[in-house]
Amino acid sequence: DARVTQTPRHKVTEMGQEVTMRCQPILGHNTVFWYRQTMMQGLELLAYFRNRAPLDDSGMPKDRFSAEMPDATLATLKIQPSEPRDSAVYFCASGPLGKTGNVTNSPLHFGNGTRLTVT
Amino acid sequence: DQQVKQNSPSLSVQEGRISILNCDYTNSMFDYFLWYKKYPAEGPTFLISISSIKDKNEDGRFTVFLNKSAKHLSLHIVPSQPGDSAVYFCAASRSSNTGKLIFGQGTTLQVKP
Repeated sequence: DARVTQTPRHKVTEMGQEVTMRCQPILGHNTVFWYRQTMMQGLELLAYFRNRAPLDDSGMPKDRFSAEMPDATLATLKIQPSEPRDSAVYFCASGPLGKTGNVTNSPLHFGNGTRLTVT
Repeated sequence: DQQVKQNSPSLSVQEGRISILNCDYTNSMFDYFLWYKKYPAEGPTFLISISSIKDKNEDGRFTVFLNKSAKHLSLHIVPSQPGDSAVYFCAASRSSNTGKLIFGQGTTLQVKP
C-alpha cells in the first residue's frame, strides 16, 4: 500500500535553531504539497510543487521558511531560525495530478505529519 | 481570510444516529469539494468528494450534499459508529488551480456507544 512518508515524526528544538522536515511522496505522484495544522486555522497550505517546480509558496513566511524538491523522491521544508509560533504539525501530501492539475478522481494522499515543538 | 469555514468545532452523537457536519465557503470559483477524516497522530485521509455539477454524492454510510446558491455543503453519516470518531475536514478546490486544496478548521466528531 503506497504511502507518503514524513520524517521525523516528532521534533523538539530551541528557538533560533534550524529545522528540516522531509517528505517522500508516493512514487509516480507529480504534485507535492506542504500543509500546517493549527487549532485556529485548520490545515493551512504553505507551498506546493508540480514536477518538482515550485508553483505557489504564498502561504509561507518567506523570511524564515523555504521549501525545495531536490529530486522526485524527496521534498524538504526548512525553518531557519525557528520560533515558538512555528510549533504545529506539518503535513506533506502528494497527488497524481495531470497537466491541468485537476483534482477530480485523484485526491491528495497525506503523510502522518511532523509534530514540531519550538521552545 | 478563511475561504472555507467549519463553524462547529465539535459534535457529539449517539451510536446509530445521524451525524451532520457542515461547511461553508466564500469563493464562488470553487468547483470541487472534498471531505477528509483524520485520526490522532495520523494524516488526513480522503473520505468523499463532490463536483459542483452535482448536488449529492453517496458512498455507503456517507453522503455529501452541496447547495451552491448558499455556498454550503454538508456530510451526513448514517448510521454513526464509534469508529467514525475523528476530526473531519472540509476542503475546496478550483479545478483550474493545479489541485490546490483549501481546508476548513475541522470538526471533531465523537460517536458515543
